[in-house]
Amino acid sequence: DAGVTQSPTHLIKTRGQQVTLRCSPISGHKSVSWYQQVLGQGPQFIFQYYEKEERGRGNFPDRFSARQFPNYSSELNVNALLLGDSALYLCASSLRHQNTPLHFGNGTRLTVT
Amino acid sequence: DAKTTQPPSMDCAEGRAANLPCNHSTISGNEYVYWYRQIHSQGPQYIIHGLKNNETNEMASLIITEDRKSSTLILPHATLRDTAVYYCIEGRYNNNDMRFGAGTRLTVKP
Repeated sequence: DAGVTQSPTHLIKTRGQQVTLRCSPISGHKSVSWYQQVLGQGPQFIFQYYEKEERGRGNFPDRFSARQFPNYSSELNVNALLLGDSALYLCASSLRHQNTPLHFGNGTRLTVT
Repeated sequence: DAKTTQPPSMDCAEGRAANLPCNHSTISGNEYVYWYRQIHSQGPQYIIHGLKNNETNEMASLIITEDRKSSTLILPHATLRDTAVYYCIEGRYNNNDMRFGAGTRLTVKP
């Protein structure tokens, strides 16, 4: 079975631009979570969606938004990019929205110049 | 913020058991302990999780103390491919927003 897939794998944007990252969960998984990982640190929670509804939000500014589609895939949008948004963006899926392991994709490496 | 405490780094000889400790003294009675690892430039990989009892799967064993304030992940026969950052996480009961700390960087040496 295919794991979590993310696209694109790498992306370069300039300050002030907007970016959309995409994620397809493991088949049968209804929950998708997004994480940001800055170099040298552990992943930081951004959002969790379950059955197309937001179930959790981390400490990120409103420039970050996400949505989940009827097929459970998800998009993460970041507006007005800052240099500090340069990071590895990870998507994870799980069967349910609680008490179940997360299964991560290999991420999208975003570089903001 | 992460609520677990792990040593920043550990070494292990190839073929020997790697024992990675974690303190999670604030864990609630219905929260699981999860372990993940991250090999360079890949996403974190789920290893194992447990609530009260010890757990074992094809990758590792998880030993949880009776008071649930700490646990140990055991890789029984470490290989060079087990070199990674290992994260111990207190799972939250109401949702899956896992809070990662800095983890333990395990280096398996020949």
